[in-house]
Parts: sequence; structure tokens; C-alpha cells
Amino acid sequence: EAGVAQSPRYKIIEKRQSVAFWCNPISGHATLYWYQQILGQGPKLLIQFQNNGVVDDSQLPKDRFSAERLKGVDSTLKIQPAKLEDSAVYLCASSLFAGPNTGELFFGEGSRLTVL
Amino acid sequence: KQEVTQIPAALSVPEGENLVLNCSFTDSAIYNLQWFRQDPGKGLTSLLLIQSSQREQTSGRLNASLDKSSGRSTLYIAASQPGDSATYLCKTSYDKVIFGPGTSLSVIP
Repeated sequence: EAGVAQSPRYKIIEKRQSVAFWCNPISGHATLYWYQQILGQGPKLLIQFQNNGVVDDSQLPKDRFSAERLKGVDSTLKIQPAKLEDSAVYLCASSLFAGPNTGELFFGEGSRLTVL
Repeated sequence: KQEVTQIPAALSVPEGENLVLNCSFTDSAIYNLQWFRQDPGKGLTSLLLIQSSQREQTSGRLNASLDKSSGRSTLYIAASQPGDSATYLCKTSYDKVIFGPGTSLSVIP
């Protein structure tokens, strides 16, 4: 069974530039998450989708971050314009179930962003 | 508001030792608790998922327990190996998914 796919693995940009990350979850998984992980810290949820609807985006900096999940399958996360503090690993995860108990989470390898 | 802590932040043990990693949470209203390992520069790998109705789960040399009343979960690693060196994170799930900060484990050959 294929896992969660993410691209690109690494991205280096200048501040104020834009960047986009892509995620393809495990086939059939209803729930998709984007997390931000800063070095030495646990992952912080940015946005959670169930099918193609947003369940939680309370910690997404909406003035610069946006995300969409097309047709309830793959997803893109965009940052525009980037700031130095956005340097982090962006992790995508998926889980089989929708609803309040989404079950086991499976993560991709992550996309490491460096903002200079 | 759920808070998840993991103590110690770092742990170093000699190869072959049995060890316990701790995860504490403040709100016992959880659907499940999941343990992950994370290797440097990698994503999170799921180790064990314990549903709220369960007391423990086992996979190979790993055993995870859950005590909701005391707000604690432990991950027991038997006969540790250098390949077990990684950061171990726990997460709870209820209205939100909350991660602990992780314990960095080094197993010395």
C-alpha cells in the first residue's frame, strides 16, 4: 500500500517569495492534515480537511497561508509571502475515517522549507 | 484545553537496556492515543495506536499502555538497540489532535 506522498522534499526561498507544497494521501483516506514542525518541537496543526471540507483551520495564518483539497483527494498548501519564521518542516498526514474519531494517522516524509 | 507533555526531553541508554518513555495529558476525554517515532529529517512513523477503551497494545519489542484516569501513557521498549535511536512522540485525539514535544532517545552501542 502506497503511503502519503509529499513534494517537494526541500525548498529554499527568499523572504516575501511564495511557495507551494503538494500532498497525496493514502488512497481512500477521508481526513487530511497539514502540520508545521519547527526544529525541536512537536507538530502544530495548520489545517484539517474531512473529504473536501475544512474541519479546523484555527491555527492557520490566513493572511499568508492557504490550503485546498481538490475533489477530496490531494491537497496543496501555499505560503505567500513567506517570512523568516516560516522556516520549518511541513508535514502532511491522512487517516481513514471522517468524524470525531479519525483513527490512526499516517505521515508523509515532509517538505523542509528554508526562508532566507 | 488539552496539554500533552513528555518527560524526559532526552534520554541516553546503553544497548540492551529495557526503557520506558512517558507521555502525560491533562484531559482524560480522548478517543485514542498514538505513539510515533521520528528519525532526523524524516516524517513520523506510527508505532502503536491505543483506543480509549483499551489498556495496552503490543508490537514486537514495543508495548504501550494507557491509563486515562491518571492521564498517562507509557511506551516500553525491550532490549533496546542502536536502531531505536530517534525522537518518540505521543499524540492524543479528541476535538483536536494534540502532540507532545517528544523524547529524544539515544541508544549507545
